[in-house]
Amino acid sequence: LAKTTQPISMDSYEGQEVNITCSHNNIATNDYITWYQQFPSQGPRFIIQGYKTKVTNEVASLFIPADRKSSTLSLPRVSLSDTAVYYCLVGDVDSGYSTLTFGKGTMLLVSP
Amino acid sequence: KAGVTQTPRYLIKTRGQQVTLSCSPISGHRSVSWYQQTPGQGLQFLFEYFSETQRNKGNFPGRFSGRQFSNSRSEMNVSTLELGDSALYLCASSLGRQGDRPGYTFGSGTRLTVV
Repeated sequence: LAKTTQPISMDSYEGQEVNITCSHNNIATNDYITWYQQFPSQGPRFIIQGYKTKVTNEVASLFIPADRKSSTLSLPRVSLSDTAVYYCLVGDVDSGYSTLTFGKGTMLLVSP
Repeated sequence: KAGVTQTPRYLIKTRGQQVTLSCSPISGHRSVSWYQQTPGQGLQFLFEYFSETQRNKGNFPGRFSGRQFSNSRSEMNVSTLELGDSALYLCASSLGRQGDRPGYTFGSGTRLTVV
């Protein structure tokens, strides 16, 4: 599975847009990019998934450049409840099964 | 629909004992994966079961084992507990078939403390 690199931590204020970038230089052709959110003592929660260009859902947007060697999770107008660890994962989810290799994640702290 | 259910939510065990954790996947999901999360090592893959067969295994000692029943419910067992086994154990379920995206839904985990 492709290894990912994310910032260890980020700080923001309520109402701001937050962009978390993930590097995955050796991403494979069949790999998708998936982002999870995790609160303390809870399991990771799926946020968004994409293959190329831009994907948007009700909570976030995912931007993937043409070379797919990086991706950016964009959280619009964050609130205090968005304080959590965000994980970027890359893998061939179409294979029918895959082990999710989690990196260290990005600890996002949102302040009032 | 009901999510992934893990029981018990919290557990305290003594070194040398064994423990069994349970995971009930989302109805219709046939794949169950287990992960260990510690502050030092982060989230690490333990093993995955699909249709009662282990089809993938992480780099953990043989003290860690699991199984899956015909109703897709899964259990993991840790024997001869060590202090370092204290962790949040997470279960994730998925359909497990090709094209299953986004795929994985996690439970809230079992917090195991070994004293």
